[in-house]
Amino acid sequence: AQTVTQSQPEMSVQEAETVTLSCTYDTSESDYYLFWYKQPPSRQMILVIRQEAYKQQNATENRFSVNFQKAAKSFSLKISDSQLGDAAMYFCAYRRGYGGATNKLIFGTGTLLAVQP
Amino acid sequence: DTAVSQTPKYLVTQMGNDKSIKCEQNLGHDTMYWYKQDSKKFLKIMFSYNNKELIINETVPNRFSPKSPDKAHLNLHINSLELGDSAVYFCASSQRDRGGDTQYFGPGTRLTVL
Repeated sequence: AQTVTQSQPEMSVQEAETVTLSCTYDTSESDYYLFWYKQPPSRQMILVIRQEAYKQQNATENRFSVNFQKAAKSFSLKISDSQLGDAAMYFCAYRRGYGGATNKLIFGTGTLLAVQP
Repeated sequence: DTAVSQTPKYLVTQMGNDKSIKCEQNLGHDTMYWYKQDSKKFLKIMFSYNNKELIINETVPNRFSPKSPDKAHLNLHINSLELGDSAVYFCASSQRDRGGDTQYFGPGTRLTVL
């Protein structure tokens, strides 16, 4: 069974600094997708970034980028120029590729990010 | 112009009652999901429907029964509520073969069973 591990329950960063959140996963599949979701205190789950396993290039969305290391099964999220609004719980998630009842997201336990002014 | 909406956002009820949560999406997606987030913030899939057909049914008590009247709606009915059912329930939707089948979430329903 696939598993997702986030080893940092809490992280803190100064405003305008850079922070990296870690995520590792375990799978025997070759076709899959990885996601980072943000959950602010409003509890809304917001998609931050997505990475397709077949793509070697790391995904980037504005100040958010990932370091995808497929062989190491590692998928870290880097937040540059941190802003107060980035304070939230961040979840790493895995989804198998297509076929059958495979669309479920498997989540890590989350990392609570605090941003200090 | 809300993409995925849920009602109600908060639900407080007594043990033993029956309650329903409704979800609607206006994204034109063909797949919808229910996830449960427990008190430790852990998120886990419960059910998924594709074009009104149940395609994922995780190990969930029989007291939970999803219903999808059409592909834009997915409801969750819970019978004989127990204290352990207290959680946040999220609805999500996605479209197969589009955008990596990315799932978009509703705002969540916080269920408190007293």
